[in-house]
Amino acid sequence: EPEVTQTPSHQVTQMGQEVILRCVPISNHLYFYWYRQILGQKVEFLVSFYNNEISEKSEIFDDQFSVERPDGSNFTLKIRSTKLEDSAMYFCASSLMGDRNTEAFFGQGTRLTVV
Amino acid sequence: GDSVTQMEGPVTLSEEAFLTINCTYTATGYPSLFWYVQYPGEGLQLLLKATKADDKGSNKGFEATYRKETTSFHLEKGSVQVSDSAVYFCALSDYNQGGKLIFGQGTELSVKP
Repeated sequence: EPEVTQTPSHQVTQMGQEVILRCVPISNHLYFYWYRQILGQKVEFLVSFYNNEISEKSEIFDDQFSVERPDGSNFTLKIRSTKLEDSAMYFCASSLMGDRNTEAFFGQGTRLTVV
Repeated sequence: GDSVTQMEGPVTLSEEAFLTINCTYTATGYPSLFWYVQYPGEGLQLLLKATKADDKGSNKGFEATYRKETTSFHLEKGSVQVSDSAVYFCALSDYNQGGKLIFGQGTELSVKP
């Protein structure tokens, strides 16, 4: 069964360092998303991506964040200068159609710890 | 803006007990409603969904009915098993939002033998 894969499963980084979280969406999907979940809080939408550009971003997704689909298979989230409050579980998701009825498939998440 | 509210957890039940996890929503449009489940060490998986009022989503013995009049989508199961222990997330996706999901805070369910 096709699945979304994320690497690494756990990343520890020092405050101020850059991190790149990687995702391989399901191969025929067209819409890609990043969400995050701070421990004990809701899963929050960060950004959606379609046709090689950002479709929508939340207010969390400030200039420190960027996304890229560098090679047609990977979908990455970069945080330029990490802060302690960026510590969270980050989930990548993909869907075939970006509409309200279509299931989004999620990866297992990357736990980011900023120290 | 759109939002989802779930009952607080954690919920602890004995095997074969009846489960209800409450979920209510506010939305500006006409959303689809989802329940996602996260088993320990795994990602979010779709459990069931409903796309219009009075629709009932069902899967693996779980059910939820889209109630527009009460803006609710409560999750129920008649007899839980230990293997149902997981975190359950209610979510909505509104019209013309590009498939973006708005999640509730999640409810942790623990089923004891």
